[in-house]
Amino acid sequence: EVHVVESGGGLVKPGGSLRLSCAASGFTFSSYSMNWVRQAPGKALEWVSDISGSSSDIDYADSVKGRFTISRDNAKNSLYLQMNSLRAEDTAVYYCARGPCSSCRFPFDYWGQGTLVTVSS
Amino acid sequence: DIQMTQSPSSLSASVGDRVTITCRASQGISNDLAWYQQKPGKVPKLLIYAASTLQSGVPSRFSGSGSGTDFTLTISSLQPEDFATYYCQKYNSAPRTFGQGTKVEIK
Repeated sequence: EVHVVESGGGLVKPGGSLRLSCAASGFTFSSYSMNWVRQAPGKALEWVSDISGSSSDIDYADSVKGRFTISRDNAKNSLYLQMNSLRAEDTAVYYCARGPCSSCRFPFDYWGQGTLVTVSS
Repeated sequence: DIQMTQSPSSLSASVGDRVTITCRASQGISNDLAWYQQKPGKVPKLLIYAASTLQSGVPSRFSGSGSGTDFTLTISSLQPEDFATYYCQKYNSAPRTFGQGTKVEIK
């Protein structure tokens, strides 16, 4: 059974940094792209970033480009999001979501429960 | 970047009603369109992909249609467990943008 579990959220001051992790199991991790999606309180879903299975292709939303860095460790079945220069508007629940396999066109079929990031002084 | 616009933003309906939600892409996206359902405090759930293909386990009262720029999610007979917020998403290329959501409430 597929599982993805996020961790690393918490309270951080504006300008600070935080690193989120996502542990995956139940599938061949290296064969799938992975995504971070966030949702501010009471707001819509916002795609943040994705990374291909081999880490060769990486994309970011404009709102986080230059501040956030996505990475993965296929040996550890883990996905990461390094968040720097955090702003109040980055406050959200951050979800890890499985994307398509390497040669597939498919949306996000498995999501973690999310980890809350609060940016406040 | 391609924008995804849903309408309406919210609607009130009764159990048994037929409900239709629209999603419009600012440029053509072929049929690379997904619909998700999110209940309060819960994780989004994939309902439909490729504009009209039902994800495994999703009830047949849900259906999707469209291609290019205009897409529709239809619930043929609204059930109590269907009251939720629905999101469309383009997933073919980055940015993999979501619509702003449509909240389906009980009338």
